Amino acid sequence: GDSVTQMEGPVTLSEEAFLTINCTYTATGYPSLFWYVQYPGEGLQLLLKATKADDKGSNKGFEATYRKETTSFHLEKGSVQVSDSAVYFCALTGNSGNTPLVFGKGTRLSVIA
Amino acid sequence: DTAVSQTPKYLVTQMGNDKSIKCEQNLGHDTMYWYKQDSKKFLKIMFSYNNKELIINETVPNRFSPKSPDKAHLNLHINSLELGDSAVYFCASSLSGGRADTQYFGPGTRLTVL
Repeated sequence: GDSVTQMEGPVTLSEEAFLTINCTYTATGYPSLFWYVQYPGEGLQLLLKATKADDKGSNKGFEATYRKETTSFHLEKGSVQVSDSAVYFCALTGNSGNTPLVFGKGTRLSVIA
Repeated sequence: DTAVSQTPKYLVTQMGNDKSIKCEQNLGHDTMYWYKQDSKKFLKIMFSYNNKELIINETVPNRFSPKSPDKAHLNLHINSLELGDSAVYFCASSLSGGRADTQYFGPGTRLTVL
C-alpha cells in the first residue's frame, strides 16, 4: 500500500538557520503530496501541497517540490523562526477518489533563539 | 467562525464505559473523516464519509461506530472503552474527497481511558 517516510526528529535549530526535512513516498500512479503542521496543543493545518510532478508548493517561506523521479517532497525554509517550532507531517493521497491522507510519522522541529 | 469543531476537547473516562465525540463542519464540504493520533504522534485514518455514506472503514474494532446524521456532522461513538483507545482523535473535512483536496482538521479530542 501507499506509504510515506520522513526523517526522524527531533530537529533543533538556531533562529535563522536553514531547514530541510526529508520526505519520500511509495505510491502507485500520481499521488498528491502535502505538508501539514501541528503547533503545540492544536490540530493540523495545511502548510503547502503539490498535485503533480515538478509542482512546487510554497507558503510562509516554506517550499517543497514534487519530484517523481526520486519520489520525494522535501520541505525547506531558508531562515527559521522560533514561531516555526511545531511537528511537521508529510502526507499523500492516493490515485483514486475518496482517498484519505496517508501520513509520515512526523518530525518535531524546535527553533531556539 | 470555526471551520471544523469537535466536542469535547478532553475526555477522561474509565475502562468499559461508552462515550461519544461530536464533529461539525461549516465549510459546506461533502466528505468527512476520523483520524486517530497515537502517543507517538502517528496519524492514521479510521473512517471516511461522503455525503452521509460510509466510504472508508479501516481495520478499526467494531466497538467504534461512526454516524453521520447529515453531511455537516460526523460523530464517533465508542463502546466498552479500553486502555489502548487513549489517543487524540481528529475530525477532518474536504470538499469532495478528491485526491487534490485540502483536508481541514478540527482541534482534536484527547481521550484518556483509565
